Amino acid sequence: TQLLEQSPQFLSIQEGENLTVYCNSSSVFSSLQWYRQEPGEGPVLLVTVVTGGEVKKLKRLTFQFGDARKDSSLHITAAQPGDTGLYLCAGVSGTYKYIFGTGTRLKVLA
Amino acid sequence: KAGVTQTPRYLIKTRGQQVTLSCSPISGHRSVSWYQQTPGQGLQFLFEYFSETQRNKGNFPGRFSGRQFSNSRSEMNVSTLELGDSALYLCASSLGLAALRGTDTQYFGPGTRLTVL
Repeated sequence: TQLLEQSPQFLSIQEGENLTVYCNSSSVFSSLQWYRQEPGEGPVLLVTVVTGGEVKKLKRLTFQFGDARKDSSLHITAAQPGDTGLYLCAGVSGTYKYIFGTGTRLKVLA
Repeated sequence: KAGVTQTPRYLIKTRGQQVTLSCSPISGHRSVSWYQQTPGQGLQFLFEYFSETQRNKGNFPGRFSGRQFSNSRSEMNVSTLELGDSALYLCASSLGLAALRGTDTQYFGPGTRLTVL
């Protein structure tokens, strides 16, 4: 069974701090996606990484796909209260089903 | 363009009852996927419909079923409700089969929060 483990599970930081969220698996994924979900809403896609070693930057967010395509990380620089939410990584299994990570709940305090 | 809509947003049922949830995808999208989200199990894939056919199914009992209509709208049905079915049910639409390449964008609706008493 393919699993995606995220760490940390919870994170509470002050505005302006940096943070990194990890998404790990023992399985290889052809691509990984990162989503953010806010209360009362569905997840919203942030980025898709498809190449081992790939790094993508979206403003203050930096996403990296591991060389072996088994792990990914999300780094946020100078976090803001608007970054608060549940961050989910997701990949497609060998049977073409989306598998979502265990989630990281981030709270940024003003 | 309008996003994915789900109705109802909230639902309270009792054990043994059945429930039907509805999802209207983004115009032009032909794939609708359903997910269950709970605090303990996270977000889990239920099934995906494309062109009125179920293309893939997750590891859920047969009490969970769905269908898709010719206009791509989809419904999900849960029969003989159990307490453990209490969850946020999300649907997502995409242009093509969502997981075929793993790079297509899935657009999620706000979900239906089902509470089983």
